[in-house]
Amino acid sequence: EIVLTQSPGTLSLSPGEGATLSCRASQSVSSSYLAWYQQKPGQPPRLLIYGASSRATGIPDRFSGSGSGTDFTLTISRLEPEDFAVYYCHQYGSSPYTFGQGTKLEIK
Amino acid sequence: QVQLQESGPGLVKPSQTLSLTCTVSGGSISSGGYYWNWIRQHPGKGLEWIGNIYYSGGSYYNPSLKSRATISVDTSKNYFSLKLSSVTAADTAVYYCARVRRPGYFDYWGQGTLVTVSS
Repeated sequence: EIVLTQSPGTLSLSPGEGATLSCRASQSVSSSYLAWYQQKPGQPPRLLIYGASSRATGIPDRFSGSGSGTDFTLTISRLEPEDFAVYYCHQYGSSPYTFGQGTKLEIK
Repeated sequence: QVQLQESGPGLVKPSQTLSLTCTVSGGSISSGGYYWNWIRQHPGKGLEWIGNIYYSGGSYYNPSLKSRATISVDTSKNYFSLKLSSVTAADTAVYYCARVRRPGYFDYWGQGTLVTVSS
């Protein structure tokens, strides 16, 4: 199975700053089948990005995804207070589907 | 707007079978192009995909569950179900149902239900 490793584990930033989250795969993710989700306490994950770079419906344009092969990035420009949460990457290019361990974005 | 809702016992004894149902509203399970999934999240941990099913009955599972999981679908009642046999404390988790939009990202999720395995 494809193992996804996210870094950093925790990112401490202030509102208004930009954030860069990384997701590295143990082998190439076919067709850039990589998604990003945001999860807040007590809530299910929310789809942000699919296909490595396509924003899901209703997601603000301050969220952007990039990458291919084994290296993917989620960028959040101009952090808003509601953006502080845990972020997961997910590959769906091969079975079984797998997720990264998450990056916690916390307020500095 | 598609909505998914998990239901089932919140407490299961060790060695027994965990049974959960996901009721889908706002859309038909029989509409093509979607797989219906179960995912779990151990307390304070990350996400683990359990398996999924297509409306016609074809299903796929995560090998890590060692064949303990069975997913079924009832298109007439618009729900799908999970059975996980021989549970242990390691199966204590929040269980989510979710829809996969092909080729495979999760676009709609249920709110999740906590299942605790304890005697």
